[in-house]
Amino acid sequence: AQRVTQPEKLLSVFKGAPVELKCNYSYSGSPELFWYVQYSRQRLQLLLRHISRESIKGFTADLNKGETSFHLKKPFAQEEDSAMYYCALSATAAGSARQLTFGSGTQLTVLP
Amino acid sequence: DGGITQSPKYLFRKEGQNVTLSCEQNLNHDAMYWYRQDPGQGLRLIYYSQIVNDFQKGDIAEGYSVSREKKESFPLTVTSAQKNPTAFYLCASSSRRPNTEAFFGQGTRLTVV
Repeated sequence: AQRVTQPEKLLSVFKGAPVELKCNYSYSGSPELFWYVQYSRQRLQLLLRHISRESIKGFTADLNKGETSFHLKKPFAQEEDSAMYYCALSATAAGSARQLTFGSGTQLTVLP
Repeated sequence: DGGITQSPKYLFRKEGQNVTLSCEQNLNHDAMYWYRQDPGQGLRLIYYSQIVNDFQKGDIAEGYSVSREKKESFPLTVTSAQKNPTAFYLCASSSRRPNTEAFFGQGTRLTVV
């Protein structure tokens, strides 16, 4: 079974401060990991995926297989980063149905 | 205009009634998903489908049913057996290829009155 854990329901930081949203996963196979974001009154949308190793809106996330973590980081938070962030994991085992599992989400508030 | 559409946006149901939520996509995606979003609990998977005429139960399938007769459509029925149906429901679709993005609808808020 696959599971995603986001230990922080709420996170507040000041503008310009670094931010880290934690995500841990449980899966026996090779994980596909994603961060999705939901801004106020907007659809849930992809922020980044681990396979791309890219920086989106200043955010990065590194897959640490030893710690089974995929934490989301940004060195200098902006007020427009305030949103709900979800970590997600997708199964990759051959022949299995692709199941997309989400964590419980972290509501990030960036204070002025 | 490509995308994934859920209807209606708001839905009210009397206790004891079944109700069906619509989800349509024109992205040519094979995979479709239904989630329930409750405060503090994130997105919980209800049902998912990888191909027409096939679907699997997710983590909280009890009290729900789905069908996948067409690639574009994945309706969710909330039955009277669902004990706590008031919630926000999200539909998503994606390609079956690995590491591809899931696209979400705007959601349907169901309220039992």
